[in-house]
Amino acid sequence: DAGITQSPRHKVTETGTPVTLRCHQTENHRYMYWYRQDPGHGLRLIHYSYGVKDTDKGEVSDGYSVSRSKTEDFLLTLESATSSQTSVYFCAISERGGTSGAGELFFGEGSRLTVL
Amino acid sequence: QQQVKQSPQSLIVQKGGISIINCAYENTAFDYFPWYQQFPGKGPALLIAIRPDVSEKKEGRFTISFNKSAKQFSLHIMDSQPGDSATYFCAASRGGATNKLIFGTGTLLAVQP
Repeated sequence: DAGITQSPRHKVTETGTPVTLRCHQTENHRYMYWYRQDPGHGLRLIHYSYGVKDTDKGEVSDGYSVSRSKTEDFLLTLESATSSQTSVYFCAISERGGTSGAGELFFGEGSRLTVL
Repeated sequence: QQQVKQSPQSLIVQKGGISIINCAYENTAFDYFPWYQQFPGKGPALLIAIRPDVSEKKEGRFTISFNKSAKQFSLHIMDSQPGDSATYFCAASRGGATNKLIFGTGTLLAVQP
């Protein structure tokens, strides 16, 4: 299994509170991603990173911010959580990305977030 | 919005049967079509992938069939086993770009013993 650790694995919070999810990898892969998984929507890309301090928006980025200060860590922050952000969040990594080829995505085990 | 439409939403198959999951895409520039398999409580994992220069790719009991003119591709699981019970996602991108991968909505497969 790819060395990807997500924390926390489960979190319940209240509307309006800030939340930070952490993804840590031991594979030294350049690319890191945050997805959310919701019934009927599959997997949707929130943000991704193509290097330290290099990030870009995905399909559903509103309400989320990310930071990557080290190769191994990618943080996802909800500045003010809303009930619509209740979801399962997956971190993924890949050695290649962009149009450099068919890079395989390796996913973490997910973080289940409930916003009350 | 570029979409990948996946069907059925759920599927029940008897052990030893054939499971078939279909996907259709809109963007003719897509040229990389992977399938991911997800077990409960785990993250998705790449199962098999195809590029449009071939019409079929087989890996063990898993086969992708690709129809470029119809803009459709499908996953066939031969001799389905209870251990195949999982959620399957199709996906597509242009140039194999992982940051532009569009996923289908998923199919929950249950293989009954």
